[in-house]
Amino acid sequence: GIQVEQSPPDLILQEGANSTLRCNFSDSVNNLQWFHQNPWGQLINLFYIPSGTKQNGRLSATTVATERYSLLYISSSQTTDSGVYFCAVEQKNRDDKIIFGKGTRLHILP
Amino acid sequence: DVKVTQSSRYLVKRTGEKVFLECVQDMDHENMFWYRQDPGLGLRLIYFSYDVKMKEKGDIPEGYSVSREKKERFSLILESASTNQTSMYLCASSSPTSGQETQYFGPGTRLLVL
Repeated sequence: GIQVEQSPPDLILQEGANSTLRCNFSDSVNNLQWFHQNPWGQLINLFYIPSGTKQNGRLSATTVATERYSLLYISSSQTTDSGVYFCAVEQKNRDDKIIFGKGTRLHILP
Repeated sequence: DVKVTQSSRYLVKRTGEKVFLECVQDMDHENMFWYRQDPGLGLRLIYFSYDVKMKEKGDIPEGYSVSREKKERFSLILESASTNQTSMYLCASSSPTSGQETQYFGPGTRLLVL
């Protein structure tokens, strides 16, 4: 099945810094989502982005489907950005099954 | 806003007990999913359902069963809980007709099996 790899696995930054999280996938996908899991375990949708670029406040994401990767950018990090960021893809012809990467754990220091 | 609720945030059970985890969504979504999350392994799909009374095995269905008697409710059942089923369980729902098949997650249930 499709492989989803996220990098880096862990990231520690000072408040105010910018960061780029990467998601590589090994096969063609129907869609791709980025999630943020807060320290309490809640998973929140950030972007639904099978291709192209989207922006939402300090966050933006770009997916280059032909090259099988997606990037999540966080600018001017805040302590509330801490948590785990997951990339999840739906492989083509696999009927709604979503495959998650193992996540990037982000810790923003005050 | 989509709301997905799970019956318990924390649960402690003994080995061999039958465990029910309930998930309810209020957006009339066709698809519902159960995942477990473990350190170093990310989220793994246990079962999913794309319609009432329909169910499909995910990647790790062993030791679990599910029930979808009503569209809004998807239950995960551990017939005989074991310690290796200690985990965080997350329920999600989505709709293939929405144009954007975003998955919406519940708050999760942390299950400890002693």
